[in-house]
Amino acid sequence: DAKTTQPNSMESNEEEPVHLPCNHSTISGTDYIHWYRQLPSQGPEYVIHGLTSNVNNRMASLAIAEDRKSSTLILHRATLRDAAVYYCIGDNYGQNFVFGPGTRLSVLP
Amino acid sequence: NAGVTQTPKFQVLKTGQSMTLQCAQDMNHEYMSWYRQDPGMGLRLIHYSVGAGITDQGEVPNGYNVSRSTTEDFPLRLLSAAPSQTSVYFCASSYSPNPSEKLFFGSGTQLSVL
Repeated sequence: DAKTTQPNSMESNEEEPVHLPCNHSTISGTDYIHWYRQLPSQGPEYVIHGLTSNVNNRMASLAIAEDRKSSTLILHRATLRDAAVYYCIGDNYGQNFVFGPGTRLSVLP
Repeated sequence: NAGVTQTPKFQVLKTGQSMTLQCAQDMNHEYMSWYRQDPGMGLRLIHYSVGAGITDQGEVPNGYNVSRSTTEDFPLRLLSAAPSQTSVYFCASSYSPNPSEKLFFGSGTQLSVL
């Protein structure tokens, strides 16, 4: 498995950008980097994923370091609805994702 | 589409009882899996299936059985419930086992074993 490390918690102000870091120093060349988030009392939901290049979608952007040992999830304008636990996953066994404890993001009004 | 549907949402069992957690998806997904989530922790993989008739163990399979007789359904059976199995259980599915695919999760079953 590609072991990932993330901060336990982060805070952001509403409508400001948020950068959530993740280290995955043991990631292999074929591992995708996935990000999921879990809102309170819900199942995880997909945010974004990438392999080597930076990725953008309507929810977020993913910046992947050139050596792929780290990545950053960028929420461009945090809203109260973005308060959740964010999981970074460096996958090595198909869809058998290994979820760590993630980063708990608090968004302050 | 309903996506991934889990039933029941809540369940209380006594030690030694057995039960089945139901999971169904209507997206014709090949891959399905079960995770458990203990308080303050990430999700841990229990069992997974890459297609009908094919199942395999994840990280924490002891005390659980699965079967996959159809593409749509992937039930999780607790054979003899123990307090250590008190947890929130999530079912997930994706189009294929390819690591580039997205996983879709159900809303979870909260299980308490007394």
